[in-house]
Amino acid sequence: DTGVSQDPRHKITKRGQNVTFRCDPISEHNRLYWYRQTLGQGPEFLTYFQNEAQLEKSRLLSDRFSAERPKGSFSTLEIQRTEQGDSAMYLCASSSIGQGGINEQYFGPGTRLTVT
Amino acid sequence: GNSVTQMEGPVTLSEEAFLTINCTYTATGYPSLFWYVQYPGEGLQLLLKATKADDKGSNKGFEATYRKETTSFHLEKGSVQVSDSAVYFCALSDRTGGFKTIFGAGTRLFVKA
Repeated sequence: DTGVSQDPRHKITKRGQNVTFRCDPISEHNRLYWYRQTLGQGPEFLTYFQNEAQLEKSRLLSDRFSAERPKGSFSTLEIQRTEQGDSAMYLCASSSIGQGGINEQYFGPGTRLTVT
Repeated sequence: GNSVTQMEGPVTLSEEAFLTINCTYTATGYPSLFWYVQYPGEGLQLLLKATKADDKGSNKGFEATYRKETTSFHLEKGSVQVSDSAVYFCALSDRTGGFKTIFGAGTRLFVKA
């Protein structure tokens, strides 16, 4: 078990460009979550998948954001026409609902996005 | 909706001092409660958890007790070390929220030698 991995770890892009991030969850986990963390704040929920189905999206996820998990394994998060306000750490987490309905999530190292 | 409020930082302590970081929550259901820690330059790590009222989570000398009557989950450690310097996040997760995790804003802890 290698844990949750994310790629790239850092991304610098110019405003208006599109970016795509990848998350590889722990292999036996059926749930995958995306969060965004800005400096000095806690992570904020963006969206989550159970297997390949996207079950919930936060209102933070504007129409410039799209996430997929095509085969219920890895996931991608794409941001189109990036804006400076998109600069943040994007975190991925995975979990499986355990005994008693406990959802212990395991986080990846994050992708730090800087929009110039 | 569900929310978490934790004490603002930074908290600065000398080594071997007692630590308390306050956390209170609002939830419509019966949430599980967590403390996560983020060391400098690293990702979020689960520190401890509690899943029902009066449960005590503990790990690495840290403890927190799930208090339903006061909707609190305060983090404590009897004797902090320099290596405990990090940002600590209180969080909750419950079935009514699709099990997504709601985080507090984080409390930065500095421990001086």
